[in-house]
Amino acid sequence: SAVISQKPSRDICQRGTSLTIQCQVDSQVTMMFWYRQQPGQSLTLIATANQGSEATYESGFVIDKFPISRPNLTFSTLTVSNMSPEDSSIYLCSTDRAGQETQYFGPGTRLLVL
Amino acid sequence: AQSVSQHNHHVILSEAASLELGCNYSYGGTVNLFWYVQYPGQHLQLLLKYFSGDPLVKGIKGFEAEFIKSKFSFNLRKPSVQWSDTAEYFCAVRPTGFQKLVFGTGTRLLVSP
Repeated sequence: SAVISQKPSRDICQRGTSLTIQCQVDSQVTMMFWYRQQPGQSLTLIATANQGSEATYESGFVIDKFPISRPNLTFSTLTVSNMSPEDSSIYLCSTDRAGQETQYFGPGTRLLVL
Repeated sequence: AQSVSQHNHHVILSEAASLELGCNYSYGGTVNLFWYVQYPGQHLQLLLKYFSGDPLVKGIKGFEAEFIKSKFSFNLRKPSVQWSDTAEYFCAVRPTGFQKLVFGTGTRLLVSP
């Protein structure tokens, strides 16, 4: 399995501010995924990030709100912009190692927006 | 759109009881199926997966799941649960050829000692 780390592990933020979440994988991977898990709900895919190309966003998620960077094959960032209390959630990074067709998840970033 | 249903949101069992968690999906084509587990304070971990072949798959910690294509189901089972199985369990589906995982809403299992 892939070893995936995320920073920060948790944060409390004021509305209107932005937070950038970092995801680091222990080896080079083609695809990285960002999910959101709102309180009491399941995981929802925000976007898929390939190195060297624009991220692909799922319905209901837009680049202006959740800009993503993928500067290399082991790292990605997700920014939650202009936050509101509705953005309080756990944000998870995931990757799918080539040939395994199985997604592995990071520990998540628990965000609370006041 | 694809969807995954987990009908049991909360399950409470005593140790040594048998477990079956339901998972149904809606997608007409070929799928890959997964069960993930999230223990308290830990991150999401893969429990088992089905891609093809024997529809009865075995995972870690004594868990197994059976794919019944005609019922669009992938139920998770364990013959005898332990207190350490207390966790949240997520079923997920991925249509073959796609990267996106679609998750169910999860089932919280509490095993009382």
